[in-house]
Amino acid sequence: SQTIHQWPATLVQPVGSPLSLECTVEGTSNPNLYWYRQAAGRGLQLLFYSVGIGQISSEVPQNLSASRPQDRQFILSSKKLLLSDSGFYLCAWSRLYGGSKTEAFFGQGTRLTVV
Amino acid sequence: AQTVTQSQPEMSVQEAETVTLSCTYDTSESDYYLFWYKQPPSRQMILVIRQEAYKQQNATENRFSVNFQKAAKSFSLKISDSQLGDAAMYFCAYSAGAGSYQLTFGKGTKLSVIP
Repeated sequence: SQTIHQWPATLVQPVGSPLSLECTVEGTSNPNLYWYRQAAGRGLQLLFYSVGIGQISSEVPQNLSASRPQDRQFILSSKKLLLSDSGFYLCAWSRLYGGSKTEAFFGQGTRLTVV
Repeated sequence: AQTVTQSQPEMSVQEAETVTLSCTYDTSESDYYLFWYKQPPSRQMILVIRQEAYKQQNATENRFSVNFQKAAKSFSLKISDSQLGDAAMYFCAYSAGAGSYQLTFGKGTKLSVIP
């Protein structure tokens, strides 16, 4: 069965520090991978998605970047965090299966607080 | 651009009773997918139910069922025999056909279950 791992679960970082959140998927190959951010009391905002190694699409201009160094690994980064980067970050995966799209499966999320 | 609207920020239901959560969406696509996700206090997103737009039959998963009205672009979730564990944020989500990689979420409905 497929599983998705996301870490760390919580993170407190000072303004101006770098960020690296990691997500890995097991049990499937060539998944579509996603990073979402959920601000307090709001829905999910798609930040990045990737359909293959080295292929990253950005949905929202921001202080963040994403990379996919391996098929089942997706990394969210920042060189210098801003206070506005605080939020709940969710990694997800999906794929086409038999011509039909599967739903997105989410990791457990990372609560990032920038202080 | 596709949009998803959940007009009920909060709802409550008595334990063992039935509740319906509303969702409308806007799209010009004919092939798409709709989902309801549950986000309990742990904040992990859990798929509740999915509906393919080409299917006329409403999806059902145990106590959860949907009323999919394609012409009206409406996709409501009915929870029968509500349980305390159903208390959570519920998000309606839309994804265009197989060639699209994005999930568009509504802002969510917070469901409380009263014992």
